[in-house]
Amino acid sequence: ETAVFQTPNYHVTQVGNEVSFNCKQTLGHDTMYWYKQDSKKLLKIMFSYNNKQLIVNETVPRRFSPQSSDKAHLNLRIKSVEPEDSAVYLCASSYSYNYAEQFFGPGTRLTVL
Amino acid sequence: GDSVTQTEGLVTLTEGLPVMLNCTYQSTYSPFLFWYVQHLNEAPKLLLKSFTDNKRPEHQGFHATLHKSSSSFHLQKSSAQLSDSALYYCALRRSTGGNNKLTFGQGTVLSVIP
Repeated sequence: ETAVFQTPNYHVTQVGNEVSFNCKQTLGHDTMYWYKQDSKKLLKIMFSYNNKQLIVNETVPRRFSPQSSDKAHLNLRIKSVEPEDSAVYLCASSYSYNYAEQFFGPGTRLTVL
Repeated sequence: GDSVTQTEGLVTLTEGLPVMLNCTYQSTYSPFLFWYVQHLNEAPKLLLKSFTDNKRPEHQGFHATLHKSSSSFHLQKSSAQLSDSALYYCALRRSTGGNNKLTFGQGTVLSVIP
């Protein structure tokens, strides 16, 4: 099966902890993305990588850092989480950075207590 | 900057009635427009995308026409089905500038009732 996979599905943690989310795509795409979907369902891009290189870095707090080991994997680390980080984090991929259609994973729901 | 505005909040329709979800946009780059659909606890999926040659994209009974004069890309369907209940996003991507960044509207929840 080819798709975008994310782990974990859910994560509950305390303020100040560090968390890490994984994303893998088996579509053979060159470009991957992280989006944040907040409690009001607003969907905003955070980062974009093309062939392991960062090409989009929206204004997000420094505690967020993407990590890419190869073009099929893009992880997201959050150092010292805060309550406003509670959201669903969606990973996506596209054939290339010039190819508009993006394929999304099911998301990781983060709850910060 | 780019922005997308959609029909606010929740739209509730009776099965069989026509669907129209509004989408207007602002961009200085003659963008491509998209509709994504997200069913409950699922990933967003591409529903429609605009063409450059004024063709009207259609998928699963939904269609949308890009009107550059009014900066709109409204989503329509002639007859709503219960399975159409979902969250719908309109999004744009600039036609120039190679980072493929999508700017999403705030989303519209469509609830189709029997």
